[in-house]
Amino acid sequence: KAGVTQTPRYLIKTRGQQVTLSCSPISGHRSVSWYQQTPGQGLQFLFEYFSETQRNKGNFPGRFSGRQFSNSRSEMNVSTLELGDSALYLCASSGATEETQYFGPGTRLLVL
Amino acid sequence: AQSVTQLDSHVSVSEGTPVLLRCNYSSSYSPSLFWYVQHPNKGLQLLLKYTSAATLVKGINGFEAEFKKSETSFHLTKPSAHMSDAAEYFCVVSVYGGSQGNLIFGKGTKLSVKP
Repeated sequence: KAGVTQTPRYLIKTRGQQVTLSCSPISGHRSVSWYQQTPGQGLQFLFEYFSETQRNKGNFPGRFSGRQFSNSRSEMNVSTLELGDSALYLCASSGATEETQYFGPGTRLLVL
Repeated sequence: AQSVTQLDSHVSVSEGTPVLLRCNYSSSYSPSLFWYVQHPNKGLQLLLKYTSAATLVKGINGFEAEFKKSETSFHLTKPSAHMSDAAEYFCVVSVYGGSQGNLIFGKGTKLSVKP
């Protein structure tokens, strides 16, 4: 079974721009969670989608949004980028009845 | 509230010597606990998970962890370190929703392995 894939792997943007990151879960997994990882704050939960519905949301501003498609693929969008948004963005998928989350390789975003 | 505390931010061992990464948890019910490993510039890989079936859990790459309810600990061990074990390790507890999501992560322990 293929693992979780994320595209692109690396991104460089400038302040004020917006960015869209993509995540394809493991086949059959319907839950996708997104995390931001920075050296200072560690791993922080952004949101979780299940069957195209946002099921859970972390404490991030509204500039961070996401969605999930009928094939369970998910995208997250960050608008009006700030320097502090530079981070590794990880997505993870899990089965409907499973607590274990399987992570993708991440997208490293650098905001200049 | 559920939480995990990784007691060491950095552990350094010599190749071939044992590894001990310490984790304490706080949970109001019997938790599910995980250890993940992250190599530089990579995502998180599941090492092992505890879900109350057995207190000693064996994972990949020779790692194992023991759940001790009386000590609220879930320490990760490996008998003999290998250079490829150098990475950051996260102890994680599963929760049920909320603004922190379904997983609560410890702050991580960086493992260095000296030749």
